[in-house]
Amino acid sequence: NAGVTQTPKFQVLKTGQSMTLQCAQDMNHEYMSWYRQDPGMGLRLIHYSVGAGITDQGEVPNGYNVSRSTTEDFPLRLLSAAPSQTSVYFCASSYSQSLAGGRGYNEQFFGPGTRLTVL
Amino acid sequence: AQKVTQAQTEISVVEKEDVTLDCVYETRDTTYYLFWYKQPPSGELVFLIRRNSFDEQNEISGRYSWNFQKSTSSFNFTITASQVVDSAVYFCALSEAGIYNQGGKLIFGQGTELSVKP
Repeated sequence: NAGVTQTPKFQVLKTGQSMTLQCAQDMNHEYMSWYRQDPGMGLRLIHYSVGAGITDQGEVPNGYNVSRSTTEDFPLRLLSAAPSQTSVYFCASSYSQSLAGGRGYNEQFFGPGTRLTVL
Repeated sequence: AQKVTQAQTEISVVEKEDVTLDCVYETRDTTYYLFWYKQPPSGELVFLIRRNSFDEQNEISGRYSWNFQKSTSSFNFTITASQVVDSAVYFCALSEAGIYNQGGKLIFGQGTELSVKP
């Protein structure tokens, strides 16, 4: 298994440009998420998905768009890049399992990250 | 509201010292999950442990141990006899079960940067 893959590893954009960060997983996980990491702020959730066709906003969704047409892929689109979107972006996937009393959520598997600079 | 606080921004220790990283969380859910991740200088995120809210047993894994206390909403992480390879940023994170299927949603603390000097 390749796990969670992200492309590109590095990207430089000019203000106003658009682009898509790609994320794919081959573990048949139901959940996928996008986070951004900024110095001193930990990782903040941008968007997440609980299955193909279902997405929801996280803590910092503005300026980003997602869709999930397949279980494997969860691309993140920057509609009009701004310098404030300079960050490291991580994609993650996870799964749940039936436990007594409900569902248990397992750890998230993270991709290697994409370092994005917006000039 | 959900929140995770790691009050220690940076910690510096000398090799072989013990060190404890603090994590305090806030949640309204009765069922939730707590995690610790390690981010070494290479940048990847490495899963260390998951703890369910209904299991308060402490856990030890080699030099690592975790102390989960629901009464104080804390999930602290101790490294015994630290080594230079332990130098990294450590993140505590929370996931709520809730009724809205929150499995894809982690709330992270700000991270604690641990530096272990030889």
